[in-house]
Amino acid sequence: QSIVTQPPSASGTPGQRVTISCSGSSSNIGSNSVYWYQQVPGTAPKLLIYRNNQRPSGVPDRFSGSKSGTSASLAISGLRSEDEADYHCATWDDSLSAWVFGGGTKLTVL
Amino acid sequence: EVQLVESGGGLVQPGGSLRLSCAASGFTFSSYDMHWVRQATGKGLEWVSVIGTTGDTYYQGSVKGRFTISRENAKNSLYLQMNSLRAGDTAVYYCTRKGVGATDYGMDVWGQGTTVTVSS
Repeated sequence: QSIVTQPPSASGTPGQRVTISCSGSSSNIGSNSVYWYQQVPGTAPKLLIYRNNQRPSGVPDRFSGSKSGTSASLAISGLRSEDEADYHCATWDDSLSAWVFGGGTKLTVL
Repeated sequence: EVQLVESGGGLVQPGGSLRLSCAASGFTFSSYDMHWVRQATGKGLEWVSVIGTTGDTYYQGSVKGRFTISRENAKNSLYLQMNSLRAGDTAVYYCTRKGVGATDYGMDVWGQGTTVTVSS
């Protein structure tokens, strides 16, 4: 059981906006940056968002990140079939002196 | 081309040892923190260890005392020495880089992964 929690699944139809949450505590999300990764099963993860809300070059602006207090969210607007993947949040935990990943959220595009 | 290539995975008996390697190319290896992240089949990502640019190291609790991360900047290489392996260590192991400070863009480059299977 990860100390940073994500819903195990999310879904939406093409064109919709979906959000995926990442909930932690004051020792992790509350005091450190959050990063988001997209992973198509069988492939390596891909960086989507860094430092809470920054997009690497090449990542569409349909993807956005936000953070408030001890929670963070990834929003995907204009949902497309190719967005179907697993999404993972990650942050540093000051108490553990370790990086922690959320359990991952499987996004299904209906 | 910026690239990370892992090697060294395989089948090992419980209690055995294995050494993973990660060869980096296309960037200034010494300027990046280097991480190992693993993923068991059907499970989420699990951070394993990091070695900083100055050689400082951190480990996830379940591998502390059993795994040792190291780097050889002259060879652009990252290593993970895994001892006293358990069935729960079975996973695909990825190496990944992360910039520091103003060049912190997240774990932005990942290798293809190497598979470790611990079984008798």
